[in-house]
Amino acid sequence: GQQLNQSPQSMFIQEGEDVSMNCTSSSIFNTWLWYKQDPGEGPVLLIALYKAGELTSNGRLTAQFGITRKDSFLNISASIPSDVGIYFCAGFFGNEKLTFGTGTRLTIIP
Amino acid sequence: NAGVTQTPKFRVLKTGQSMTLLCAQDMNHEYMYWYRQDPGMGLRLIHYSVGEGTTAKGEVPDGYNVSRLKKQNFLLGLESAAPSQTSVYFCASSYSTGFGQPQHFGDGTRLSIL
Repeated sequence: GQQLNQSPQSMFIQEGEDVSMNCTSSSIFNTWLWYKQDPGEGPVLLIALYKAGELTSNGRLTAQFGITRKDSFLNISASIPSDVGIYFCAGFFGNEKLTFGTGTRLTIIP
Repeated sequence: NAGVTQTPKFRVLKTGQSMTLLCAQDMNHEYMYWYRQDPGMGLRLIHYSVGEGTTAKGEVPDGYNVSRLKKQNFLLGLESAAPSQTSVYFCASSYSTGFGQPQHFGDGTRLSIL
């Protein structure tokens, strides 16, 4: 089956720093989704990408659909304490199953 | 707006016991899904449904059964619980998947099998 490699697995940053994470796939996708999961809650959609090369922002978050259709990137600018959580990418190829990455755990050091 | 509601939120079972997890959505979504989340493994699809009365197997269906008798409800059953089924279970729903509609998740059911 399709696999998604998400990196880094964890990040420890200071408040105010910018964050970058990415997802790569062994095969192409036609949709990329980025989710955030807070402790004890379900994933919440942050950004959806539908076209290769697409760059989409949601406040301080920016995500890009890679031109090869095998990767996607998420950037967070000027991190704040509420950014703490686990970020998941998910890819879609027009069948009925969404493939999830293993997550990037973001921790903000005081 | 409730969105996707899962019950119960927590449960402890003994090996061999059975139970049913309930998922309810109030968004009139056609598609519903059950996932399990284990440390370091992301979300894995157990079963899904593309409409009332339909179900299909996902990536890890063994040991689970599902039913979608009503459009708004999707039930996940464990007939004979095993310790390997200790996990956090998430239900999700979407309008459809053919056009990449995002899935909306519940807050999860934390299940421990002793």
